[in-house]
Amino acid sequence: KAGVTQTPRYLIKTRGQQVTLSCSPISGHRSVSWYQQTPGQGLQFLFEYFSETQRNKGNFPGRFSGRQFSNSRSEMNVSTLELGDSALYLCASSFTSGRALGTDTQYFGPGTRLTVL
Amino acid sequence: GQNIDQPTEMTATEGAIVQINCTYQTSGFNGLFWYQQHAGEAPTFLSYNVLDGLEEKGRFSSFLSRSKGYSYLLLKELQMKDSASYLCAVIRTGRRALTFGSGTRLQVQP
Repeated sequence: KAGVTQTPRYLIKTRGQQVTLSCSPISGHRSVSWYQQTPGQGLQFLFEYFSETQRNKGNFPGRFSGRQFSNSRSEMNVSTLELGDSALYLCASSFTSGRALGTDTQYFGPGTRLTVL
Repeated sequence: GQNIDQPTEMTATEGAIVQINCTYQTSGFNGLFWYQQHAGEAPTFLSYNVLDGLEEKGRFSSFLSRSKGYSYLLLKELQMKDSASYLCAVIRTGRRALTFGSGTRLQVQP
């Protein structure tokens, strides 16, 4: 079974621009989560989508947004880019079997490395 | 809030055993994950603990004590390829967000 895929793998933008990142989950997985990884802050949760609905949101400004499509693919968008948005953006998918919450392992994609100049 | 602590760096010798500790403080605890991350790559799932005790998976084992808010990852028969960062992450009841520790960078030496 193919793993989580993310596109593009690398991206260079300038301040003030916007960017859209894409994530395709493992086949059959319905939950997609996004994380930001930086050397200073580590891995931080952005948001999680299930059945095209945002179920959880981290502590990031409104410039960060996302959506999920009916085929479970997800996109995240960052508007008005700032230098501090330079990071590795990771997408993770999980099956969400309907058992007790928190028991579904999240599998990560290779990430998109965003550089803001 | 949540607080997850793990050592920043560790060094060990090829063939040896190393234990990476993780302590956490959180409400509504619903499980602890360990991930391995090689430089420039995505985190890879290693183990999941929700009940007290030891989970063994080949050369890797993970232990959890919920009452102490403590976990460790045990790596046996270390290989050079085990040089990586090891991330401890906690998940809370009712939420799907993983809260990660800052990671432990393990260097395996010949």
